[in-house]
Amino acid sequence: DVKVTQSSRYLVKRTGEKVFLECVQDMDHENMFWYRQDPGLGLRLIYFSYDVKMKEKGDIPEGYSVSREKKERFSLILESASTNQTSMYLCASSSTGELFFGEGSRLTVL
Amino acid sequence: GEDVEQSLFLSVREGDSSVINCTYTDSSSTYLYWYKQEPGAGLQLLTYIFSNMDMKQDQRLTVLLNKKDKHLSLRIADTQTGDSAIYFCAPRGRRALTFGSGTRLQVQP
Repeated sequence: DVKVTQSSRYLVKRTGEKVFLECVQDMDHENMFWYRQDPGLGLRLIYFSYDVKMKEKGDIPEGYSVSREKKERFSLILESASTNQTSMYLCASSSTGELFFGEGSRLTVL
Repeated sequence: GEDVEQSLFLSVREGDSSVINCTYTDSSSTYLYWYKQEPGAGLQLLTYIFSNMDMKQDQRLTVLLNKKDKHLSLRIADTQTGDSAIYFCAPRGRRALTFGSGTRLQVQP
């Protein structure tokens, strides 16, 4: 079975802190994605990557950056967390089409 | 970009059929997916349909696609309490999957 693991299920951070959300997949998938999920808004694409060291902006990249130094790992970085980044963050990976999701990381910014 | 719309809430009685609807804007979508999210969990793929198909049946699930109207529906027959979850429609565009807002299905015993 494909496994996508997100390092933290719950985080609480303060405004202005730097936040790292880590995601690891074990199926050698080329493609990895970060979405955020908010009630009534569904999932919105933040960034994605089709290869190591490659990244592309999604629909809402402002306030975020990403890093993909190894194929299996895709990190989402909030350089200076703000309260409007309080959300559920979902990582996903894919090979040809179907996305496999992690369990999510719920971030609260105070 | 792609817009995907779903109603936010649906309530049915156990044993009835549920129909969850979705409209989308990108006519070039090749695959259209349905995902299910149970409380506190990530999303799991339920089923999908290729754009050259009108219908796909998979046990209790039936997916109908009207390409002309860009309308997708998911029918769950004999709905059970275990089907209570949020259901997301997700057409595959050029870059990635675009998700609707999700429809919360509540099944009354």
